[in-house]
Amino acid sequence: DAMVIQNPRYQVTQFGKPVTLSCSQTLNHNVMYWYQQKSSQAPKLLFHYYDKDFNNEADTPDNFQSRRPNTSFCFLDIRSPGLGDAAMYLCATSRDTGTLAGGYEQYFGPGTRLTVT
Amino acid sequence: GNSVTQMEGPVTLSEEAFLTINCTYTATGYPSLFWYVQYPGEGLQLLLKATKADDKGSNKGFEATYRKETTSFHLEKGSVQVSDSAVYFCALAGTALIFGKGTTLSVSS
Repeated sequence: DAMVIQNPRYQVTQFGKPVTLSCSQTLNHNVMYWYQQKSSQAPKLLFHYYDKDFNNEADTPDNFQSRRPNTSFCFLDIRSPGLGDAAMYLCATSRDTGTLAGGYEQYFGPGTRLTVT
Repeated sequence: GNSVTQMEGPVTLSEEAFLTINCTYTATGYPSLFWYVQYPGEGLQLLLKATKADDKGSNKGFEATYRKETTSFHLEKGSVQVSDSAVYFCALAGTALIFGKGTTLSVSS
């Protein structure tokens, strides 16, 4: 089945130690997203790639970076994790963006739960 | 700007009860609307969607109708099961999805 895969499912890192989260997709979608979700909250969009074009949300801290080396893979780099960055990180894909007449939907991976010690 | 408002939870029901989770939206035009479900410790799964006014999305016994007159997209199910316990998010299509805050549903046997 076509899907969105995230590795690892659980990641523990130390305060200030860089960490990379991985996402891959077999849907061949143009768009890949990274969301941060804290406990009992809605997912918050950090950034997205449309193909190779990177789109950062205005309030995403500089501490968060992303790379998309090819269509299938996208990485989230947290340069210096703080205790406040502990959260679930969700990767999602969609065929396109915007309010197309046919609508579009996002397909989510299972998430990576990040713990900062 | 565009936004989504969901009823606050938690919603606690007994098995086989009727479920309604209210969702209203503010939007320019008529964007697609979605309901996503998140089970504990997992990512979001698309539950259903509607792409235009008066469309009804349905899946797994859940239904929601896109009502432009009331700018609503309420989620309903006639008979909930324990396995429906999860967090439900209403969302609106934009450059990226705009989510409501989520409603936690807890169903007991």
